[in-house]
Amino acid sequence: QVQLQESGPGLVKPSETLSLTCAVSGYSISSGYYWGWIRQPPGKGLEWIGSIYHSGSTYYNPSLKSRVTISVDTSKNQFSLKLSSVTAADTAVYYCARHPGFGELIFDYWGQGTLVTVSS
Amino acid sequence: DIQLTQSPSFLSASVGDRVTITCRASQGISSYLAWYQQKPGKAPKLLIYAASTLQSGVPSRFSGSGSGTEFTLTISSLQPEDFATYYCQQLQNFGGGTKVEIK
Repeated sequence: QVQLQESGPGLVKPSETLSLTCAVSGYSISSGYYWGWIRQPPGKGLEWIGSIYHSGSTYYNPSLKSRVTISVDTSKNQFSLKLSSVTAADTAVYYCARHPGFGELIFDYWGQGTLVTVSS
Repeated sequence: DIQLTQSPSFLSASVGDRVTITCRASQGISSYLAWYQQKPGKAPKLLIYAASTLQSGVPSRFSGSGSGTEFTLTISSLQPEDFATYYCQQLQNFGGGTKVEIK
């Protein structure tokens, strides 16, 4: 059974960098699939942030691309998100999820999500 | 960028009702559409992909149809556990959601 678990600080100050990690169990990241981040502001809809392949190949939502970095650590079977220069608008539940391939953004397994609040 | 518009945004229905949710794309997207169900405090759950393919383990009362710019998600007989918010998705674009509540 594939399981994903997000972790990281729940509170980040404005202008700082949000950092989250997604630990994957039950499946080796190196076996394939893409691994992505999606967020959801409180009471609002879903927004794809970006994705990574085990090779390190990434692609990002153009609206966030200038502030986003996604990396992968296959030895730990996890991948990470960094979002720089955060503002209150970045307050959201952040999910990690798996999808079959580049351009196939069909998210079949999700983490439970972690709320990140941007506030001083 | 492609816009996905769901209707209605809110729906009140009873157990046993047949429910249909529509997702309209601002331009043709072939059959590249997925549907998710989200319950409060939980991650979304994939229901349907490629417009009409049921994800493994999803009850057969859920079905999807459509291609091009208009798509529908149908729940043939609404069950208590189906009260949730439903989202359509095409690649990096998500619809605004349809909340299904108990009448």
